[in-house]
Amino acid sequence: GAVVSQHPSRVICKSGTSVKIECRSLDFQATTMFWYRQFPKKSLMLMATSNEGSKATYEQGVEKDKFLINHASLTLSTLTVTSAHPEDSSFYICSASELGREASYEQYFGPGTRLTVT
Amino acid sequence: AQSVTQLGSHVSVSEGALVLLRCNYSSSVPPYLFWYVQYPNQGLQLLLKYTTGATLVKGINGFEAEFKKSETSFHLTKPSAHMSDAAEYFCAVSDRTSGSRLTFGEGTQLTVNP
Repeated sequence: GAVVSQHPSRVICKSGTSVKIECRSLDFQATTMFWYRQFPKKSLMLMATSNEGSKATYEQGVEKDKFLINHASLTLSTLTVTSAHPEDSSFYICSASELGREASYEQYFGPGTRLTVT
Repeated sequence: AQSVTQLGSHVSVSEGALVLLRCNYSSSVPPYLFWYVQYPNQGLQLLLKYTTGATLVKGINGFEAEFKKSETSFHLTKPSAHMSDAAEYFCAVSDRTSGSRLTFGEGTQLTVNP
């Protein structure tokens, strides 16, 4: 149980284009979904927190107009990197906390999406 | 504010030897503590967590960790390392005022030598 998927697992796009990454909770409803960015050999940096039906909360220094987050349902959140540039190349990981089990403070992580901007 | 410090970005052990990965935290309220493992190009998998109750927590794959409030530590151990344990390990803290929001340490790369 508690499986989170991400699609695509790997994407290469040209500079200036936009790319959408999907995060789905497959066997549970997610109250909250989190988006992280991980640089090579580095830890996870929280980008934003999203709750179904409301606007995402972005961490300081994260451009909300560049990293658009939509949490349309209790099982799907999307991250759109707009007008991507090479410096946006990174490993993006989502996670979700389960509706009704918020008190466990546990997050379930997706497998990550490797974005390369050329 | 909360923070996590993992001492040693790289730890190398021989197969069969004790694994000890260090984690110290800072939190203004009683923390919830987690250890995650990450294999290359994959997401994070929960090894174990401490919320309340017994301070010695057992997790998957033979790992365990002990919450020591007086030392603000949550070190991860395994009695006998396997080659398959080679991975990146992250310690994380969540305080009860920030919901599920996690703060991660910088990670420790574990190498297991044959």
